[in-house]
Amino acid sequence: GAVVSQHPSRVICKSGTSVKIECRSLDFQATTMFWYRQFPKQSLMLMATSNEGSKATYEQGVEKDKFLINHASLTLSTLTVTSAHPEDSSFYICSARAGSGPEAFFGQGTRLTVV
Amino acid sequence: AQTVTQSQPEMSVQEAETVTLSCTYDTSESDYYLFWYKQPPSRQMILVIRQEAYKQQNATENRFSVNFQKAAKSFSLKISDSQLGDAAMYFCASFGNEKLTFGTGTRLTIIP
Repeated sequence: GAVVSQHPSRVICKSGTSVKIECRSLDFQATTMFWYRQFPKQSLMLMATSNEGSKATYEQGVEKDKFLINHASLTLSTLTVTSAHPEDSSFYICSARAGSGPEAFFGQGTRLTVV
Repeated sequence: AQTVTQSQPEMSVQEAETVTLSCTYDTSESDYYLFWYKQPPSRQMILVIRQEAYKQQNATENRFSVNFQKAAKSFSLKISDSQLGDAAMYFCASFGNEKLTFGTGTRLTIIP
């Protein structure tokens, strides 16, 4: 099956700094990538959808200036959490879709801790 | 808009027995897909089974099968011959309008 690699799997950063999370499709071209946030023992909440070469579409309530998403190529999307604060600590998951089909493949997730 | 509801926060089943996880959904889309995903302690999301809404036949993948009741907007997952490795969070999801919407999940415990 298709493989999506997310890096890093865990990151700890200081409050006020920025951290970048990468999401790569290893064996297919991802026309669309999705970023989710998952709080402990809760569901996945869609943050934004990105299409290669265009600006990301953010869900209501998600600060686009805090969560910068770049989808510069068909195999790479990045999420940058800017000026991170402890309340940004969470588990972030990306998924990637090839073509227009409904199936998406998920990365391993990134646990972000802001101290 | 889509909503997915899982009314069972936790379920448990004896090893080798059968368990059914419930899911209801609502969507304004005429063309949509339904999924069950498994999230083990590793947090990696794993696709268990998918169902195209236009298909009347219930999807089956080995020990996993669904009961898709389109009129009732119900999409339950049946796990037969439960195994210890089935222990995980299970999320029901609906895909429509280019988005995947997840339910709140059901934590499944397997009792040895």
